[in-house]
Amino acid sequence: GQQVMQIPQYQHVQEGEDFTTYCNSSTTLSNIQWYKQRPGGHPVFLIQLVKSGEVKKQKRLTFQFGEAKKNSSLHITATQTTDVGTYFCAGYFGNEKLTFGTGTRLTIIP
Amino acid sequence: DVKVTQSSRYLVKRTGEKVFLECVQDMDHENMFWYRQDPGLGLRLIYFSYDVKMKEKGDIPEGYSVSREKKERFSLILESASTNQTSMYLCASSLVRATLHFGNGTRLTVT
Repeated sequence: GQQVMQIPQYQHVQEGEDFTTYCNSSTTLSNIQWYKQRPGGHPVFLIQLVKSGEVKKQKRLTFQFGEAKKNSSLHITATQTTDVGTYFCAGYFGNEKLTFGTGTRLTIIP
Repeated sequence: DVKVTQSSRYLVKRTGEKVFLECVQDMDHENMFWYRQDPGLGLRLIYFSYDVKMKEKGDIPEGYSVSREKKERFSLILESASTNQTSMYLCASSLVRATLHFGNGTRLTVT
């Protein structure tokens, strides 16, 4: 079936270091979304990418969508303690079903 | 602001019980979703609905059913709860092909 794989599953970084999570799909995605879930909270939408090769930035966060629309990445520059949480990618495969990746849990060592 | 409300934050049920999880959204969204979240497995889609009385199976529908009689309400039903259905259940709503707005989740324990 249509799957979205995400790596790594866990990432521990020192505060101030960079962080990247990667998302890969077996088939072409219509678009990709990224969500953040704080500990004890629910997923909250961050951004949506639609075009092949698209790059978007939100302050220290950079999101990329691959040329083939099968992969995506989220990069955080100079992590802060407020970045702690689990980051999910999610994609539409052409129908109304949004499929989530397995998530990357980020912990920050102060 | 969109509000998605799940009726219970925590629920404890016994094996074999029929369980209803309720979800209400206040933004007239067409689509509603039920996911379950388990450590290491991410969010897995159980069922979704794109209109009143319309439903489609997600990736793990076995052991679950849903009901959408009104646009704002989407119910998840566990016909006969089992211990492997112990999980966090998340409801979400959205416009067509748009971003999802999640409720706070229901942590269900089946003993």
